[in-house]
Amino acid sequence: KAGVTQTPRYLIKTRGQQVTLSCSPISGHRSVSWYQQTPGQGLQFLFEYFSETQRNKGNFPGRFSGRQFSNSRSEMNVSTLELGDSALYLCASSLRPLRGDEQYFGPGTRLTVT
Amino acid sequence: DAKTTQPNSMESNEEEPVHLPCNHSTISGTDYIHWYRQLPSQGPEYVIHGLTSNVNNRMASLAIAEDRKSSTLILHRATLRDAAVYYCIHHNYGGSQGNLIFGKGTKLSVKP
Repeated sequence: KAGVTQTPRYLIKTRGQQVTLSCSPISGHRSVSWYQQTPGQGLQFLFEYFSETQRNKGNFPGRFSGRQFSNSRSEMNVSTLELGDSALYLCASSLRPLRGDEQYFGPGTRLTVT
Repeated sequence: DAKTTQPNSMESNEEEPVHLPCNHSTISGTDYIHWYRQLPSQGPEYVIHGLTSNVNNRMASLAIAEDRKSSTLILHRATLRDAAVYYCIHHNYGGSQGNLIFGKGTKLSVKP
């Protein structure tokens, strides 16, 4: 069974631009969560989607948004990029999040904002 | 905020057992205890999880205290590939939140 895939793996953008990151969960998983990882703040939760609905959102500004499609694939978008948005963005999928199932993480997208 | 307390770092010798402690004094009765690890340049990887009883899988064992306010991840024979940051997390999946709240974790170094 294929794991969680994220595209692109690396991205360089300039301040003020916007970016879209993509995540394909493990087949059959309907829950997708997004996390941001930086050296200073560690791993921080962005949002979670289940069956195309956002179930929960972390404490990030409105510039960060996401969506989930009917095939469970998810995208996250960051508008008006700032230098502080440089981070590793991780996507995780889960089969039954409300039953305590484990989350499977992708390799991440490394975003650099210059 | 993270709800668990772990040592910042630990060292182990290769092929020796490693006991990674975690305190979670605010845990509620329905919170699962999860352990993840993150190898360098990779996303976190699920290790093990449990609710009340001790758990074993091919990667590790999880020992949960009787009062559930602490747990210990046990790697029975550390290898160089086990060098990673280990995160202990407890979360109630019965509500509307499916996210994991990561703390700083324990950086495990394994010496040959």
